[in-house]
Amino acid sequence: DTAVSQTPKYLVTQMGNDKSIKCEQNLGHDTMYWYKQDSKKFLKIMFSYNNKELIINETVPNRFSPKSPDKAHLNLHINSLELGDSAVYFCASTRTRDSRGSEAFFGQGTRLTVV
Amino acid sequence: GQNIDQPTEMTATEGAIVQINCTYQTSGFNGLFWYQQHAGEAPTFLSYNVLDGLEEKGRFSSFLSRSKGYSYLLLKELQMKDSASYLCAVRESGGTYKYIFGTGTRLKVLA
Repeated sequence: DTAVSQTPKYLVTQMGNDKSIKCEQNLGHDTMYWYKQDSKKFLKIMFSYNNKELIINETVPNRFSPKSPDKAHLNLHINSLELGDSAVYFCASTRTRDSRGSEAFFGQGTRLTVV
Repeated sequence: GQNIDQPTEMTATEGAIVQINCTYQTSGFNGLFWYQQHAGEAPTFLSYNVLDGLEEKGRFSSFLSRSKGYSYLLLKELQMKDSASYLCAVRESGGTYKYIFGTGTRLKVLA
């Protein structure tokens, strides 16, 4: 029973293509995130949704569009892929409370390679 | 601005103790988290501090000083499997539950 699951795990595609990454969590959390981890292993937040509402939208090209059909799912669609989009994309979820048990749980990551 | 600093790499010997430091400057503060990430895997939660002081959890302990913007992760009785990256993350206040991550410290444990 995977808590946060992402698909696909690996994605190799050509420049200019459009691709989607899917994420689902079965933890009953109300907030979900997309993070990008570059080759230097820096984990940078991209988006966050709370109960299907977008609450964090960092400086990300508008080729990236998140969608949350319900609070257990958060997908990421990327248009017109560029070489610089190559990275590992992590989905995460958390319970929004200011106490213990509020840590973020991460999916296994999607390694995107644009050629 | 937002800034979280950690040493890039550390090396230690099996059985030893290592301390990984983290300093932060963020817009607000609502908790500090440490994560472990093995190569090719997802980050996994290790510890959480929101009040000043030391939190102990088995071989791992984490310390926080909010006035100094400083935390450390202490790993005791190092094992080879502890070779991984250790990420310090600050959750900002303000209701967005935004986690800002440091660049991570790659720890190598030698036999």
